[in-house]
Amino acid sequence: DAGVIQSPRHEVTEMGQEVTLRCKPISGHDYLFWYRQTMMRGLELLIYFNNNVPIDDSGMPEDRFSAKMPNASFSTLKIQPSEPRDSAVYFCASRPDRYSPLHFGNGTRLTVT
Amino acid sequence: QKEVEQNSGPLSVPEGAIASLNCTYSDRGSQSFFWYRQYSGKSPELIMFIYSNGDKEDGRFTAQLNKASQYVSLLIRDSQPSDSATYLCAVNPPTGGFKTIFGAGTRLFVKA
Repeated sequence: DAGVIQSPRHEVTEMGQEVTLRCKPISGHDYLFWYRQTMMRGLELLIYFNNNVPIDDSGMPEDRFSAKMPNASFSTLKIQPSEPRDSAVYFCASRPDRYSPLHFGNGTRLTVT
Repeated sequence: QKEVEQNSGPLSVPEGAIASLNCTYSDRGSQSFFWYRQYSGKSPELIMFIYSNGDKEDGRFTAQLNKASQYVSLLIRDSQPSDSATYLCAVNPPTGGFKTIFGAGTRLFVKA
């Protein structure tokens, strides 16, 4: 299996621009998670899906952030408009069921100038 | 109270020693417990998982779980410089549908 695939690996954008991060989970995994990692705040859960349905989005910072999962093999995290404080590494992870460990993608390093 | 708490360290041990990493969690109903290792600039990778009280051993790693005390630990025997990394404790609390919550991580340095 190819593992969780994220794109792009790096994204540099200017404040105010729209940013879209993409994720392909492992086939057969029913759960998909989006995390953000910074030195100050560690690994924060933003949102997670079960069978393509958002279950908990309480970690989404504000209305500028949105996430979708149109099908079992694809999810997006969108930031519009982006701000410098959004600079972080964004990880996507998936797991097959509620008790199993997460498998992480390689992450997207976002820099907003 | 944070859902998952770890000592941020850094924890420094000499090569060949035992490194002991600790974690506490707040939701008593939690069922699944994980330890991940993260090297700088890389994604977290799973090294151990444990579901039942007691010890679980895998090579040089031993995970220990005490649900009554809401405590999880990771022991690394014969520590190697390549073990130097940040170790993340993670828990699946039942509140909120068994999402996975991570502690802040403990930085481990193994001195050659």
